[in-house]
Amino acid sequence: EVQLVESGGGLVQPGGSLRLSCAASGFTFSSYSMNWVRQAPGKGLEWLSYISSSSSTIYYADSVKGRITISRDNAKNSLYLQMNSLRADDTAVYYCARDPYDSTGYRYFQYWGQGTLVTVSS
Amino acid sequence: DIVMTQSPDSLTVSLGERATINCKSSQSILYTSNNKNYLGWYQQKPGQPPKLLIYWASTRESGVPDRFSGSGSGTDFTLTISSLQAEDVAVYYCQQYYSTPYTFGQGTNLEIK
Repeated sequence: EVQLVESGGGLVQPGGSLRLSCAASGFTFSSYSMNWVRQAPGKGLEWLSYISSSSSTIYYADSVKGRITISRDNAKNSLYLQMNSLRADDTAVYYCARDPYDSTGYRYFQYWGQGTLVTVSS
Repeated sequence: DIVMTQSPDSLTVSLGERATINCKSSQSILYTSNNKNYLGWYQQKPGQPPKLLIYWASTRESGVPDRFSGSGSGTDFTLTISSLQAEDVAVYYCQQYYSTPYTFGQGTNLEIK
């Protein structure tokens, strides 16, 4: 069974940093591309970042580019999101999501974690 | 960026009736070389992550009941629930994966009448 478990969320002050993790199990993590998607309280879904299986290709949404870094450790079956210069409008549930294949065009999100809540407030 | 616009924002349907949700993209998301529409539909119930229902605009994900169907091409798409069940109460999102940034519609809140 595919499982994605996010961690690392919490309360952080404006301007602070946080590193989110996503632990993957139930599939060969190194064979799949991954994404981060967030959802502000009561709002819709916003895709943030993509990373290919080998980390050779990375994309970011303009809204967070320069403030976030996606990475992965295939040996540890883990995906990460480093977030810096956090603002109040970064408050959201952050989901990791797996693509169905690591192949161009297959960028719909087949599996999702339960999410981790990041709250940016003083 | 490709803007995805869903209609309506909210929908109230009686049990057993048909529910129809529309999604319009600001540009075509049909890739002509493979004749595929890069459009997915997701269902999100309260307190849960989204769940993939449909991809390639009309292909049902494994395990999704056949009362859910997707249609459309180019810029106009539809998610249809043929006979609404109580467990279908949720927010539904469309998503384009034709180009980055991968964008979602604003969501449609489906309730029971």
